Amino acid sequence: KNEVEQSPQNLTAQEGEFITINCSYSVGISALHWLQQHPGGGIVSLFMLSSGKKKHGRLIATINIQEKHSSLHITASHPRDSAVYICAVLSGSARQLTFGSGTQLTVLP
Amino acid sequence: GAGVSQSPSNKVTEKGKDVELRCDPISGHTALYWYRQSLGQGLEFLIYFQGNSAPDKSGLPSDRFSAERTGGSVSTLTIQRTQQEDSAVYLCASSLPRRSYNEQFFGPGTRLTVL
Repeated sequence: KNEVEQSPQNLTAQEGEFITINCSYSVGISALHWLQQHPGGGIVSLFMLSSGKKKHGRLIATINIQEKHSSLHITASHPRDSAVYICAVLSGSARQLTFGSGTQLTVLP
Repeated sequence: GAGVSQSPSNKVTEKGKDVELRCDPISGHTALYWYRQSLGQGLEFLIYFQGNSAPDKSGLPSDRFSAERTGGSVSTLTIQRTQQEDSAVYLCASSLPRRSYNEQFFGPGTRLTVL
């Protein structure tokens, strides 16, 4: 079993829809990243959180430490949100990230 | 620029040749990471540098892979005697050192193709 599991693997939505991507992890963590990878390959860090909830524009990330679960929400989705969204955790004394396999999001106009 | 930069952006090489990939972290970031993303695979950790400490090399897949970080800034990842399975996007990231869960900032990556 992977330490970091994401769902769904692929998601297609219509423009304007509310989107949720889920991430579950099996280890104790000190922080969790949500990353966005554009079709050209560049990676952007969307959020880093260790508790509660963060919001940036139309993006919201939540984490439940007890349940070892995080969600990334996109409100009023737009075709430019189409990308791969990756959950990554920083666990224990390690400094490197352990990555989920990513969710390919396609938002249709 | 203000972000992490990597060079070259693309590298095509023949099997058996050595390659060097370069990463310039954000100024002041003493933590530097190398990751690899093979086609159709997730990201995997390769190596981590923190200041003057010995690097964490636990993710390097073989002894053909090595990395250096000179002067606590620029890093070079070297792959010797490249194999086709080394084809991947190699990503560098940097972060501030002081807290255990500092956000990592990623470079644009180097796409390596081994023919």
